[in-house]
Amino acid sequence: QVQLVESGGGLVKPGGSLRLSCAASGFTFSDYYMSWIRQAPGKGLEWVSYISSSGDTIYYADSVKGRFTISRDNAKNSLYLQMNSLRAEDTAVYYCAGGAGANTQFEYWGQGTLVTVSS
Amino acid sequence: SYELTQPPSVSVSPGQTASITCSGDKLGDKYASWYQQRPGQSPVLLIYRDSTRPSGIPERFSGSNSGNTATLTISGTQAMDEADYYCQAWDSSTEYVVFGGGTKVTVL
Repeated sequence: QVQLVESGGGLVKPGGSLRLSCAASGFTFSDYYMSWIRQAPGKGLEWVSYISSSGDTIYYADSVKGRFTISRDNAKNSLYLQMNSLRAEDTAVYYCAGGAGANTQFEYWGQGTLVTVSS
Repeated sequence: SYELTQPPSVSVSPGQTASITCSGDKLGDKYASWYQQRPGQSPVLLIYRDSTRPSGIPERFSGSNSGNTATLTISGTQAMDEADYYCQAWDSSTEYVVFGGGTKVTVL
């Protein structure tokens, strides 16, 4: 049974930092591209970043480029998102999601973790 | 940047057919995927590669993609199909993932 479990969300002040984690099980994590996708309260889905199966290809949405860093540890079946210089507009539920490639669909989704940026 | 446009809402009577469109420049040249998100839940993959259903997805969900428009069709709509639906594609020019704005389906 596939599971993606996000953690690390919470309340942080503007300008602060937070590190999200996503623990994967039930599938061959090292074969999958992994992404972070977020959803602001009452809004739609917004892709944030993806990392290739080996970690050598990484892309970021323009809205987070230079502030967020995606990484993975295939030995630990884990995905990470380091978020720096957080802004109020980064407030959202952050989902980790997995797909066979960058240009493919997202087969697996986690339950999400809420990040709230507020003073 | 590449954009996908969906109608904000679609209403349908139980048992009838709902069609949700997703428009983007030459979208037919890309693969479109569709996701269902019920309130308070994570998205679920409904359709990929324009028209393929993952195992476990009911046959009443179907997809097509041609020209500038991809379409998700729900045949024999049920009350449980009331949810938000998102289309998604990959922009090869930027290598970015793109989502449509989402369509809320109401079963009246």
